Amino acid sequence: EVQLVESGGGLVQPGRSLRLSCAASGFTFDDYAMHWVRQAPGKGLEWVSGISWNSGSIGYADSVKGRFTISRDNAKNSLYLQMNSLRAEDTALYYCAKDRGWELRGAFDIWGQGTMVTVSS
Amino acid sequence: EIVLTQSPGTLSLSPGERATLSCRASQSVSSSYLAWYQQKPGQAPRLLIYGASSRATGIPDRFSGSGSGTDFTLTISRLEPEDFAVYYCQQYGSSPAITFGQGTRLEIK
Repeated sequence: EVQLVESGGGLVQPGRSLRLSCAASGFTFDDYAMHWVRQAPGKGLEWVSGISWNSGSIGYADSVKGRFTISRDNAKNSLYLQMNSLRAEDTALYYCAKDRGWELRGAFDIWGQGTMVTVSS
Repeated sequence: EIVLTQSPGTLSLSPGERATLSCRASQSVSSSYLAWYQQKPGQAPRLLIYGASSRATGIPDRFSGSGSGTDFTLTISRLEPEDFAVYYCQQYGSSPAITFGQGTRLEIK
């Protein structure tokens, strides 16, 4: 079964850091680009970051550029998001999503169930 | 950054009716890199359409996508009770800046 399982979310104070993980199974992980997408409570979808199959191409939304870092470990079938200098507006459900292609040029055909990040003092 | 504007914000229809959802881009979406997703409460989004008009695996043929350039449409030919949800368009042509529309809520009339 094709599956993405996110972990690492929680309650964190403004200015602190958090690292999210996404464990992939049921497909050849290193054949595909991967993404993080977030959804604030009651709001729409916002693309956060994406990484190509070999980490050669990486992109970030302007809202997180310079604060968040995406990475992947193909040997462990895992995707990560290091989030630093967290702000209240980063509060959201964070989804891991699989790209249909190997570069950042495909729609997202598999999604995890998400991990909640709450930034509050 | 390409801004996607979806209309209407909310669409009220009855089962069996036809639904037409619009997505307009602030600039041309290259190679029709436009997708549509369905999201139900408490669930992750599900890919319906990619490449503007190709149905994703397992998506019923009552869902169809069309358009090019800056104007795109998702049509649901005959609404089933399970189709009432929020729908998002997404452009992925201006890599690496990927954007979503704000969503259209399809509700039962």
